[in-house]
Amino acid sequence: DTGVSQNPRHKITKRGQNVTFRCDPISEHNRLYWYRQTLGQGPEFLTYFQNEAQLEKSRLLSDRFSAERPKGSFSTLEIQRTEQGDSAMYLCASRAGVSPLHFGNGTRLTVT
Amino acid sequence: DAKTTQPPSMDCAEGRAANLPCNHSTISGNEYVYWYRQIHSQGPQYIIHGLKNNETNEMASLIITEDRKSSTLILPHATLRDTAVYYCIVVLNSGGYQKVTFGTGTKLQVIP
Repeated sequence: DTGVSQNPRHKITKRGQNVTFRCDPISEHNRLYWYRQTLGQGPEFLTYFQNEAQLEKSRLLSDRFSAERPKGSFSTLEIQRTEQGDSAMYLCASRAGVSPLHFGNGTRLTVT
Repeated sequence: DAKTTQPPSMDCAEGRAANLPCNHSTISGNEYVYWYRQIHSQGPQYIIHGLKNNETNEMASLIITEDRKSSTLILPHATLRDTAVYYCIVVLNSGGYQKVTFGTGTKLQVIP
C-alpha cells in the first residue's frame, strides 16, 4: 500500500490558464473521489468514479471542470480558464468496496 | 444524509484523554459514523468508524449513544502529534460519500 499519490503538490497559475492535476489511487481501489477544500472548511465533494465510469458530479463542478479516469486507474482533474475563486486544495481519495476513504495529500492551487 | 454538529475547537493537555463530541440527531438506521482527522497540509486520515456498538482500535475509541444521535471520539493519551482538525461524518457504508458534508470539524489543540 503506497497510498494515494497526487501531483503536483503545488500549482501557481495565472487567471485564465488551464491546469491539470493527477491522482494515482491505491492500486486495488475501484472507487475514486475528488474533493475541493478551501481555508477553514472541510472537504467538499466534486465528483466520483467507480472504475472508469464517472457516476456522480457535484453542482460545484462547473463546466470549466472536467475529470477523467481512463482504464479505471489514475484520474485527472482539469480546470479550464482558471479564476481566482478556484484557488483551493484539491484532494483525491480512493476506496475499495466499503472500506474507509484513503486521501492523498492534495494539490494546492493558487490562481493569481 | 445526516449532518453532524461538532464544537469548533477544543484544548487537551498532553497525556490526558481527549474526548471529542459529535451530534448526528438525524442519522438513519443504516448510516455509519466515521471519524477522520486532518493534520496541517495533509489529506484527511481515517481514524475509526462504527454503526451501533462501541469500537476501539490502535488509534482511538468510539462511543456511540444507544439512540445513535451522538458519539464521542476518545484519544486515550493525547500527544502533540494529535493536534489536528477532527471530522465526524455519517455515511452509508455501501457508497454514500458523494452526499457527505464534512463540515468544519473540531480543531483539537494538544497543549504541552
